[in-house]
Amino acid sequence: NAGVMQNPRHLVRRRGQEARLRCSPMKGHSHVYWYRQLPEEGLKFMVYLQKENIIDESGMPKERFSAEFPKEGPSILRIQQVVRGDSAAYFCASSGERTDEQYFGPGTRLTVT
Amino acid sequence: DQQVKQNSPSLSVQEGRISILNCDYTNSMFDYFLWYKKYPAEGPTFLISISSIKDKNEDGRFTVFLNKSAKHLSLHIVPSQPGDSAVYFCAAIFDSWGKLQFGAGTQVVVTP
Repeated sequence: NAGVMQNPRHLVRRRGQEARLRCSPMKGHSHVYWYRQLPEEGLKFMVYLQKENIIDESGMPKERFSAEFPKEGPSILRIQQVVRGDSAAYFCASSGERTDEQYFGPGTRLTVT
Repeated sequence: DQQVKQNSPSLSVQEGRISILNCDYTNSMFDYFLWYKKYPAEGPTFLISISSIKDKNEDGRFTVFLNKSAKHLSLHIVPSQPGDSAVYFCAAIFDSWGKLQFGAGTQVVVTP
């Protein structure tokens, strides 16, 4: 039973480019969460999605960031026109109906140059 | 607005001794608390949790204590082992959506 998969593991983008981060939840899980970890900080909630629905995006910056979890395929976190401050580790987690049992992927480390 | 706080950024402990990690929270609505362990370049892995209706939960070498009146919880690891060297995050949930609120983490180093 494969765990939560994230790709790419490392992503380098120049300022102004777009970054797309992908997350495949554990088999049978329909809840996906995205968290961001800035250097020397804890993880910060960004968005919670179920299939085809955004449930809570209260942690998402209002501009340039978007997320989706389509009926088929992985969840995507999209960052448009990246800036240096977007450099961070982005973690995806998934859960079944027990949303307090979240399993994390290995993360995508985004570096903006 | 940091609602979950881990005030010790690092902890060094000798192998075989007890590690005690502390966590404070400000939101009395939190009803479930978790500890995660994280190695470099990996995602957090779940360690142990406790519901707000309990004051203690034990799993092998790991015990979590909750003091609701003080809004404080702690994680005890005994005996500490070299493989326990990692960053430990305290997290809390207060709504049914399972939005985890994390502390900043404590780096534990277990020395021989």
